[in-house]
Amino acid sequence: ILNVEQSPQSLHVQEGDSTNFTCSFPSSNFYALHWYRWETAKSPEALFVMTLNGDEKKKGRISATLNTKEGYSYLYIKGSQPEDSATYLCAFLSGYSTLTFGKGTMLLVSP
Amino acid sequence: GAVVSQHPSRVICKSGTSVKIECRSLDFQATTMFWYRQFPKQSLMLMATSNEGSKATYEQGVEKDKFLINHASLTLSTLTVTSAHPEDSSFYICSARDIDRKNYGYTFGSGTRLTVV
Repeated sequence: ILNVEQSPQSLHVQEGDSTNFTCSFPSSNFYALHWYRWETAKSPEALFVMTLNGDEKKKGRISATLNTKEGYSYLYIKGSQPEDSATYLCAFLSGYSTLTFGKGTMLLVSP
Repeated sequence: GAVVSQHPSRVICKSGTSVKIECRSLDFQATTMFWYRQFPKQSLMLMATSNEGSKATYEQGVEKDKFLINHASLTLSTLTVTSAHPEDSSFYICSARDIDRKNYGYTFGSGTRLTVV
């Protein structure tokens, strides 16, 4: 059973704060690491698909880094806004082509 | 972008009855659809992989006779929970990958909250 861990489990920040979460995953048989944003009552939305060690990706105020050798990825949100409130999921894609999800980090941004 | 439509979003059924959940890929062909289940405060757990035109592949511990999967076309996969019991109450969600957009991640339905009473 593959173990994908996310921390923290939940986070409450004020508007304008910058924040980051961690996803740790197996360092063997790595194929890709996915980040998803999941708002209540909506479908999870893909943020990033990361495949190369040292990858850094950015979408607006959100960015992510990847370290496949040590098995972790960070997601950063700069200047959090209330609309960033969601659960952020990471998922590890192994060479066997099945996604294994972490439990997610629930972010609440207060105005 | 790629869209997966999942219905129903919520269903309440009596113990012993069957419930069908549908997932349709609206603007792409999904040769493979994944079905997940999520219990409170737990991760999305893969139940089965549905392949168009062939039998589904079930994860260990998932009863294939209880969770019937049909993937008869490139745009439709269904999950039927047969003889549902209260312990089957959970959140079920499907996902698929648009092969033409493989670097964009998987596309998910919006999920189905099943309550068995």
